[in-house]
Order: sequence, then C-alpha cells, then structure tokens
Amino acid sequence: EAQVTQNPRYLITVTGKKLTVTCSQNMNHEYMSWYRQDPGLGLRQIYYSMNVEVTDKGDVPEGYKVSRKEKRNFPLILESPSPNQTSLYFCASRTTVLFLGEQYFGPGTRLTVT
Amino acid sequence: GESVGLHLPTLSVQEGDNSIINCAYSNSASDYFIWYKQESGKGPQFIIDIRSNMDKRQGQRVTVLLNKTVKHLSLQIAATQPGDSAVYFCAERVDSSYKLIFGSGTRLLVRP
Repeated sequence: EAQVTQNPRYLITVTGKKLTVTCSQNMNHEYMSWYRQDPGLGLRQIYYSMNVEVTDKGDVPEGYKVSRKEKRNFPLILESPSPNQTSLYFCASRTTVLFLGEQYFGPGTRLTVT
Repeated sequence: GESVGLHLPTLSVQEGDNSIINCAYSNSASDYFIWYKQESGKGPQFIIDIRSNMDKRQGQRVTVLLNKTVKHLSLQIAATQPGDSAVYFCAERVDSSYKLIFGSGTRLLVRP
C-alpha cells in the first residue's frame, strides 16, 4: 500500500528537550515536505527536499532542521522545542514530474511543548 | 478530535443534498489548483485537481469549477453523504513551481 508514515503520532515534551519526528514514504518519491497546521490557518511549509541531500527552507523554518540521507526518509528535528511549536505536523511526498497530481500526506503528529 | 477546525467557516447540509464549497485564491499567476479533504485525526487527502486552462473538471460525485476572472474556485459534491463530513481546503500552485499555497478550509457537516 502506498503510504507516508510518521512517528510518533502524539508527543508531549518540555521546552528545550530535543526531539525528532520521523517520516517515511514507500512510493520512491523525490519530493518530500514538512508542514505545520494551526487552528484557522492553512498548512504552512516548514522545509522541503527535492531529492537526497537536497533540502531547502519553506515559509516557517525557524526552530526546525531536516535531513534527507535516504530517499524514503525525511526526519524533522526540533533541537530546542518551544511552546510556539505546539502544532499538528504533516509530512508529505510527491513525484516531481511537472509537480502535478497527488501529494500524499502522512497521518500527522500532534506535538505539545510545555 | 483535532483542533484545527475550531475557527473554520462551517457548511451544514442535509444528507442527499448537493454541497458547494468555495475558495478564493490569492495569486493571478496560479496555474494549478487542488482540493483536499481532511477527516478528523487524519492527513489531507487529494480529491480533485484542475489546471488553469480549464473551467470545469468532474470526478466521481465531485466537480471543481474555476473562475479565473474573480480568482474563485468551488467544489461541488453531489448527493452528499455522512462520510463526506470533513474539512475541505483548496491549494494553489503559483507559476508552475513546486510550491503549494493552502487555504484555511471549510468544515462540511452532513445532517442525517
């Protein structure tokens, strides 16, 4: 089954404690992306990756890091989480062919930083 | 359930009626549009897309209409069912780029 998986699904942590949210896709997609979703706002892109070892900032990259060492994995790293990073996070992947068509989203990770 | 829908406009329809969800997009250079459905506790799911050289596209029970003059997009759902209850939002692609800009969405509630 074609899918994007994220772990963990729910995470409660404290300010300053480093955490990593994993993302993996099994569709051999070149393009992967992280978004955050907050009440009343549209999805906002944090970081994206066009392919292995190629990453770039999205609209709201502050406080986040990513890496793309393998095509299938795109972890999101919060080195020192703060309460304003409390949000719902989605990983997504898609083919890069004309950047048309379906973008597949993971199930989401609900992060609470206290 | 998730809290992302707390501040969203809501459309309430009777089961079996048709639903129309609207979206105003921001950029006249946008050339491709997508509608997504997001059920509670799940990630967004692709419904239908349309390129800017089209005015209308139909899928299974869904139709997307594009009015470039007023930068307006609509999603029509025929014979709305309880399983259609979700948040729906549009996304636009600007200038054939990789980047999508997402709207905040509309919550659709289907009354039995």
